[in-house]
Amino acid sequence: EVQLVQSGAEVKKPGESLKISCKGSGYRFTSNWIAWVRQMPGKGLEWMGIIYPGDSDTRYSPSFQGQVTISADKSISTAYLQWTSLKASDTAMYFCARLGAAAGFVDNWFDPWGQGTLVTVSS
Amino acid sequence: QSVLTQPPSVSAAPGQKVTISCSGSSSKIGSYYVSWYQQLPGTAPKLLIYDNNKRPSGIPDRFSGSKSGTSATLGITGLQTGDEADYYCGTWDSSLSAGVFGGGTKLTVL
Repeated sequence: EVQLVQSGAEVKKPGESLKISCKGSGYRFTSNWIAWVRQMPGKGLEWMGIIYPGDSDTRYSPSFQGQVTISADKSISTAYLQWTSLKASDTAMYFCARLGAAAGFVDNWFDPWGQGTLVTVSS
Repeated sequence: QSVLTQPPSVSAAPGQKVTISCSGSSSKIGSYYVSWYQQLPGTAPKLLIYDNNKRPSGIPDRFSGSKSGTSATLGITGLQTGDEADYYCGTWDSSLSAGVFGGGTKLTVL
C-alpha cells in the first residue's frame, strides 16, 4: 500500500524555526514528485511547492517562494517542509501528497495524501 | 481569491444528482488536465478524478468528471449522506508555473 505518514502537530512561537516531515512507503520514493499543500483554518487548499526526491529538483509557487524550504532525504524516503522564522499567519494544516504519475509534474494529480500536520504559531 | 472558480456550496437530496463547476482560463484548465478531490470533515483530501475524467480504483462510478474549454465539471449521482464534504478541483497554471486549486465547494445532502 502506498502511504505517506507525516510528523505530529507542532505548537511554536513567532520567530521560531520548524521542520516537518513526510515519510513515504510502499513505492519507489525517488520516482514520484512530492507536493506540499497548505490549508489555513476554515479555508481551501493552496499549492505550495513540489520536490523530486530522485534529484531534489524543487519548484515553488510564487506565493511561497522564499517563505519556506522544501527538501528531501531519499535515503530515508522522507520529504520536509521548513521555516526559519515562523509567523502567526503560518498557522495551518499542512499536507504532503504524492504526484500520481511518475513522469513530469504538469499534467499530474495528488494521490495519496498524508494525514496532515497541524502547525500552530502563537505567542 | 482562488485562481480557479468554484461555487461555494451546492445541495441536493439523497438519491439525486449534483454537478460542481470549476472555471479557469486558457493558461490553466484550457491547457491542462483537471483533477478533483473530496475532503470529508477533519480528514485529508482524497483523489476522486484525474486526467479530467478518469476514476482511480475504488472510486464508485457515481462520480464522474468532464472538461470543456476552460471549465470542468464534477458530477455525483445517487447522492448519499456520506458524500457531504468539500470538493476541490486542481490543475496546472502556466502563468504561475505552479499548481492551483479551486476555492472548494461544500456539498450538503439534505
